[in-house]
Amino acid sequence: DAGVIQSPRHEVTEMGQEVTLRCKPISGHNSLFWYRQTMMRGLELLIYFNNNVPIDDSGMPEDRFSAKMPNASFSTLKIQPSEPRDSAVYFCASSFNTGTGVYNEQFFGPGTRLTVL
Amino acid sequence: KNEVEQSPQNLTAQEGEFITINCSYSVGISALHWLQQHPGGGIVSLFMLSSGKKKHGRLIATINIQEKHSSLHITASHPRDSAVYICAVPYGGSQGNLIFGKGTKLSVKP
Repeated sequence: DAGVIQSPRHEVTEMGQEVTLRCKPISGHNSLFWYRQTMMRGLELLIYFNNNVPIDDSGMPEDRFSAKMPNASFSTLKIQPSEPRDSAVYFCASSFNTGTGVYNEQFFGPGTRLTVL
Repeated sequence: KNEVEQSPQNLTAQEGEFITINCSYSVGISALHWLQQHPGGGIVSLFMLSSGKKKHGRLIATINIQEKHSSLHITASHPRDSAVYICAVPYGGSQGNLIFGKGTKLSVKP
């Protein structure tokens, strides 16, 4: 199994540019999570999907951030326009949610390190 | 919302020492997750446990649900164990979106 795949691994862009981060979850997993990690705040949930449907986007910082999951094998996180304070590592994780009320282990991708100049 | 506290924040040990990292949380949970993040940045799942103890090689994780506390132990520590260890608990029930501790940065000196 290839694990969770994220691209790009590194992204450097200028303030005001649009940034798109991509994630391919583990095949068969039906839940997908986007997290952001900064020195100041540590790891935080941005949004998660269950069966391709956004369930909780309360962690999305503001309207400049948007996420989509058009199918079970692909998700994007878009920032438009980007700002220097968006610089962080963005992780995607996936899990198989059995819907039984039991927590299911999440598997993390390698992350995308974003630098906004 | 669950609060997750880890201690210590930083830990330096000599190779071979026994290491203990602690995690406390404020709200009852169904399971707890220990993660490892190496200097390269990738996050690896070490354990997911809901009761008792789990062991994998030199790593042992324990949890006490009543006391809302978990510990991660490393026996015979080695420099390659140097990493940040993060405790996480699910928030929102079965969906499992995680609340993370701030992490414990472990440095094992040869």
